[in-house]
Amino acid sequence: AQKVTQAQTEISVVEKEDVTLDCVYETRDTTYYLFWYKQPPSGELVFLIRRNSFDEQNEISGRYSWNFQKSTSSFNFTITASQVVDSAVYFCALSVSGGGADGLTFGKGTHLIIQP
Amino acid sequence: NAGVTQTPKFQVLKTGQSMTLQCAQDMNHNSMYWYRQDPGMGLRLIYYSASEGTTDKGEVPNGYNVSRLNKREFSLRLESAAPSQTSVYFCASTLIRTSGFLDTQYFGPGTRLTVL
Repeated sequence: AQKVTQAQTEISVVEKEDVTLDCVYETRDTTYYLFWYKQPPSGELVFLIRRNSFDEQNEISGRYSWNFQKSTSSFNFTITASQVVDSAVYFCALSVSGGGADGLTFGKGTHLIIQP
Repeated sequence: NAGVTQTPKFQVLKTGQSMTLQCAQDMNHNSMYWYRQDPGMGLRLIYYSASEGTTDKGEVPNGYNVSRLNKREFSLRLESAAPSQTSVYFCASTLIRTSGFLDTQYFGPGTRLTVL
């Protein structure tokens, strides 16, 4: 069975600080996909990134960056120079089937609070 | 493109009542999913449909039934609602390519269900 652990239940920082959200996953499959989703207070789920298990390159998108390390089974998410609009619940998720047909396994989420 | 749509947005039921949650996608995706989100639990998979004509149980299927009506539509039915089914329900869809490569899973806006 797969498992995703987001140990940080809630993080509160002051605007413009950098913040890293941790994600640790467990799977025996060699082919898998990792995701991050954002859930703002309005409730919808917004896709942020998808990463394949065979691509360990880190990625940067504006103020967002992701660090994928297979050696530690981690897929951490960093927001640089945080803004109030970044306040949301962030979910890390994992899919392991050959086609992902059996859905995503989600972590319990990290509630990020950015204070002005 | 509307993406993934869900109806209704809100619903209040009494214990024992039945209802159907509707989901439709216009992205020509082949796989569709139903999740529930409870406070502090992340999202958990209820049922999924890897392709038109197939459905399978997820992590928490008890008390639910599903129908993959056609490629676009995937409904979730509560035959006899219970207070434990009070939750936010999300529908999602994705494209699984013949190579097995998994595309991104996109979510609908959610249905907030309260069972009294």
